[in-house]
Amino acid sequence: QKEVEQDPGPLSVPEGAIVSLNCTYSNSAFQYFMWYRQYSRKGPELLMYTYSSGNKEDGRFTAQVDKSSKYISLFIRDSQPSDSATYLCAMSPFTGGGNKLTFGTGTQLKVEL
Amino acid sequence: GAGVSQSPSNKVTEKGKDVELRCDPISGHTALYWYRQSLGQGLEFLIYFQGNSAPDKSGLPSDRFSAERTGGSVSTLTIQRTQQEDSAVYLCASSPTTGMNTEAFFGQGTRLTVV
Repeated sequence: QKEVEQDPGPLSVPEGAIVSLNCTYSNSAFQYFMWYRQYSRKGPELLMYTYSSGNKEDGRFTAQVDKSSKYISLFIRDSQPSDSATYLCAMSPFTGGGNKLTFGTGTQLKVEL
Repeated sequence: GAGVSQSPSNKVTEKGKDVELRCDPISGHTALYWYRQSLGQGLEFLIYFQGNSAPDKSGLPSDRFSAERTGGSVSTLTIQRTQQEDSAVYLCASSPTTGMNTEAFFGQGTRLTVV
């Protein structure tokens, strides 16, 4: 079993829909949680990061962490065609020793007109 | 350049040949990481460098893989005697520090195909 599980999709939604992307994990040492967006043939770019449990909002994006359930989510409101990409969750048992991230496999999202 | 630069962007090599992949991090970034991305497998950690400390090589899949970072800047990932299962996108990332809340900036990757 992988340390981080993520549904690969593809997930197809109409423009304007609310999108929910999720990851589960098994390592209780993970403290630092991130979401990356990756367009085709490009490197991943950081969208959101959170530390420990709770919610964090940035524009149309909300990241949510539930450590008790080992479950993280990314919500995208008013989705746009430009949001079509692969979304990768990543996490780290940060101990001051580096940014050694463990990634999910990524969820491919398509927002249709 | 402003971002992480990787070269070549694409590499096709014959099985058994050695390849070198290059990463030019953002100027001033002390931490540098290599990841591998295979189809349906997500990003797999390979190695990271932080300043003058010994690199964390715990993710290298075999002794055919090695990496070095010269002068705390440019890094080269070398794969010897390439195998077909080495085909993947190799991504490099750098960050200004390994402290918390530090973003890792990724390059565009090198797409390696072993035929």
